[in-house]
Formats: sequence, structure tokens, C-alpha cells
Amino acid sequence: NAGVTQTPKFQVLKTGQSMTLQCAQDMNHEYMSWYRQDPGMGLRLIHYSVGAGITDQGEVPNGYNVSRSTTEDFPLRLLSAAPSQTSVYFCASIGGSNTDTQYFGPGTRLTVL
Amino acid sequence: AQSVTQLDSQVPVFEEAPVELRCNYSSSVSVYLFWYVQYPNQGLQLLLKYLSGSTLVKGINGFEAEFNKSQTSFHLRKPSVHISDTAEYFCAVRSGGYQKVTFGTGTKLQVIP
Repeated sequence: NAGVTQTPKFQVLKTGQSMTLQCAQDMNHEYMSWYRQDPGMGLRLIHYSVGAGITDQGEVPNGYNVSRSTTEDFPLRLLSAAPSQTSVYFCASIGGSNTDTQYFGPGTRLTVL
Repeated sequence: AQSVTQLDSQVPVFEEAPVELRCNYSSSVSVYLFWYVQYPNQGLQLLLKYLSGSTLVKGINGFEAEFNKSQTSFHLRKPSVHISDTAEYFCAVRSGGYQKVTFGTGTKLQVIP
């Protein structure tokens, strides 16, 4: 299994541009989530999904959209990037027999100029 | 509401010396407790977790943690650190659903040769 994969690894955007961060998992996990990691602030939950077609907001959802059309994929969209969205983004999933462990992707480092 | 406090943002320690990384939490309900490790430029991976039962929990790479309900603490320990333990360590608490996870701000462990 590849586990949780994320693309791209690095991205630089200009203010106002849009983009989609990709996340996929091949473990057939129902629960998936997006976090952002900022220095001195730990990880904060942006959006999450408990299954295909079901998404909900986390702690810091403003400026981000998500959808979950399949169990495997959970893309995160920035509609109009702002410098405050400069961060490292992690996707994670939970499921299978080990429902207490989050499996994290390698992260996407985003810079908004 | 729940919260996690990792008081030490950085902990330098000499190789083969013992280390303790502190974590305190607050919650009005029963919680699950986790320690994750993040190696440079990687995602987080689970070190250990406390769900119930024995308060002393053993994890990977020789780490262990003790749940202390009266002091609301879950400190991480290792009797002898190695250079490869250099990483950032995150304490996390979960109450309720998968999305109800709160991460601490992280402690950077620097092992000095």
C-alpha cells in the first residue's frame, strides 16, 4: 500500500490564484481530514469527511473548500489564495481495523506571495 | 472544550541521555491520548497511544508514556536517546469522534552527539 499520498510537495502561488491540493489513500479508509501546520501552533483541522459525499468543517475552514466524490480522494481547494494561507498542509485518514490511529501524508508546503 | 499544552518548544539532550517531553491536557470528558513524531520534511506518524487500561504505554523506538489522570498529564520518556530521535514530537488528545482531536504545539527534540 502507498498509504496516504499528497501532491504537489511544494507550491508557490500569487495572491488571488486558485489551486487544488490533492490527497489520496489506498487503504479504503472512510474518514479523511485536512490539517494545516503553522510554527508554534501545532496542527489545526480545516475540513474532514466521514465518507464519500459527506464533508464538514473543522476549526479553520475559511478560504478552503473540499469534496469527497470517492472513498480514495479528498482534494482541498483554495479559491483565492491569501498570504495567511502560507502553511504546510497535511492530509490524514483513519479506518480499517485500527480506528484510533491517523495516517498522515507527507505534506504540501504552500507559499502565497 | 479540550486543550493540550506542551510547555517545552525545544529540548536539547546529549546522545544516550534520558529525555522526558511534557504534555498536559484539559478536558471535561474521558479522552484518548496520543504522541506523534514528525521527522524533518515528513508527515506525522504514531509513536504510542493511551485508550484505556494500563497507564504505562509503550510505543515504537523505545519510547513510553504514562497517563496520569490526577495531574492530567501524558509525558513521553525514553531512557537513552539516539541521534535518529531528532524530530518534532506532538501530543494529541481526542474526545468523541475522529474529528475531535486537538494537537499540542509540538516539542523539537535535538539530540546532540
